[in-house]
Amino acid sequence: AQTVTQSQPEMSVQEAETVTLSCTYDTSESDYYLFWYKQPPSRQMILVIRQEAYKQQNATENRFSVNFQKAAKSFSLKISDSQLGDAAMYFCAYRSAEATDSWGKLQFGAGTQVVVTP
Amino acid sequence: DSGVTQTPKHLITATGQRVTLRCSPRSGDLSVYWYQQSLDQGLQFLIQYYNGEERAKGNILERFSAQQFPDLHSELNLSSLELGDSALYFCASSVGYTHPQYFGPGTRLLVL
Repeated sequence: AQTVTQSQPEMSVQEAETVTLSCTYDTSESDYYLFWYKQPPSRQMILVIRQEAYKQQNATENRFSVNFQKAAKSFSLKISDSQLGDAAMYFCAYRSAEATDSWGKLQFGAGTQVVVTP
Repeated sequence: DSGVTQTPKHLITATGQRVTLRCSPRSGDLSVYWYQQSLDQGLQFLIQYYNGEERAKGNILERFSAQQFPDLHSELNLSSLELGDSALYFCASSVGYTHPQYFGPGTRLLVL
């Protein structure tokens, strides 16, 4: 079974600065997808960024970028030019790309709370 | 707004009761997923449907059941409710297995 670990319960960052959230995962599969979801105080789950394991290029979405290290099974999220609206819980998630009984399932980490200070 | 709708937003009920949570996926999405978010268990996958058929099952209790109807909306039925069932229940949808999942706003269930 796959496991996703987020070792930082909370990270604090000043506005306009950069913060990096770490995520490691354990899998024996070679093909999979990785995601970062944001959950603000409204509790809505918002997709931030997605990475396919077969792509070596790191995904980028505006101020959000990832550092995907497949051999190390590491998938960190960098938030640049942090804004007050970035304050939220961030979840790393894994999904298999192989046709198994739990094909579509997202496996989430415990989350990292990002606090943005003015 | 993700395009996924869930009703009701909040639900307060008593132990032993039964409730039904409803989800309408984004237009065009055939897959529906149910997740439970609780303080002690985190975010857990419950069950997945694709075009009306059950495709994957996670940590779903026998007291819980779900179905997806021909119009693709889905319902999650929770019965013999216990205090520990209090949680935020999310529905998510995607076009297919390889596409990202988009989440609804959730139904907050409180069992007293």
